[in-house]
Amino acid sequence: AQSVTQLGSHVSVSEGALVLLRCNYSSSVPPYLFWYVQYPNQGLQLLLKYTSAATLVKGINGFEAEFKKSETSFHLTKPSAHMSDAAEYFCAVSAAARQLTFGSGTQLTVLP
Amino acid sequence: EAGVAQSPRYKIIEKRQSVAFWCNPISGHATLYWYQQILGQGPKLLIQFQNNGVVDDSQLPKDRFSAERLKGVDSTLKIQPAKLEDSAVYLCASSLGASGGSTDTQYFGPGTRLTVL
Repeated sequence: AQSVTQLGSHVSVSEGALVLLRCNYSSSVPPYLFWYVQYPNQGLQLLLKYTSAATLVKGINGFEAEFKKSETSFHLTKPSAHMSDAAEYFCAVSAAARQLTFGSGTQLTVLP
Repeated sequence: EAGVAQSPRYKIIEKRQSVAFWCNPISGHATLYWYQQILGQGPKLLIQFQNNGVVDDSQLPKDRFSAERLKGVDSTLKIQPAKLEDSAVYLCASSLGASGGSTDTQYFGPGTRLTVL
């Protein structure tokens, strides 16, 4: 079985501050991991994905995530938040089941 | 390149009525997915097609939901009869790979927001 837990359904940061969105996964086999972003009334857009190459993955819009097998984590970070980063972020895992299993999402608010 | 198209964007129906959603994937994409996203939750896969065939429909409530992908291109998802708990956003996604592999990037449409009264 595979699953994803996103810690914190709502995260608020000030503009210019560090963004840290937490994701822990469970998988019986080596996983592939994804972060998607969803803006209001839009579909999901891929930010980045880990496919067993480099453990530090860089994505679009300045985001990056680090795969840590020992901690079963794949946290998403961005050094400096921008107002346009306000959205909902989903972590997802694909492993033995071959289908994407999503977390419940984290709503990011960026304060001016 | 055009993205995944879905229609309608919004639909309001009474319970026990039927409804259909349409999806046109990105041109050339072999794999098509339908997801259900209930408010406050992540998307849940309902059905996955590779070309014309169904790869995974294990989470599709087959007593009321049906889906087809004729000619391996666009797809229709139907609910008949609808229940209150079907209120959700229905997302369509497509990916290039014919194998539907775990690493394939899925491209999502804007979704159809269904409200069942």
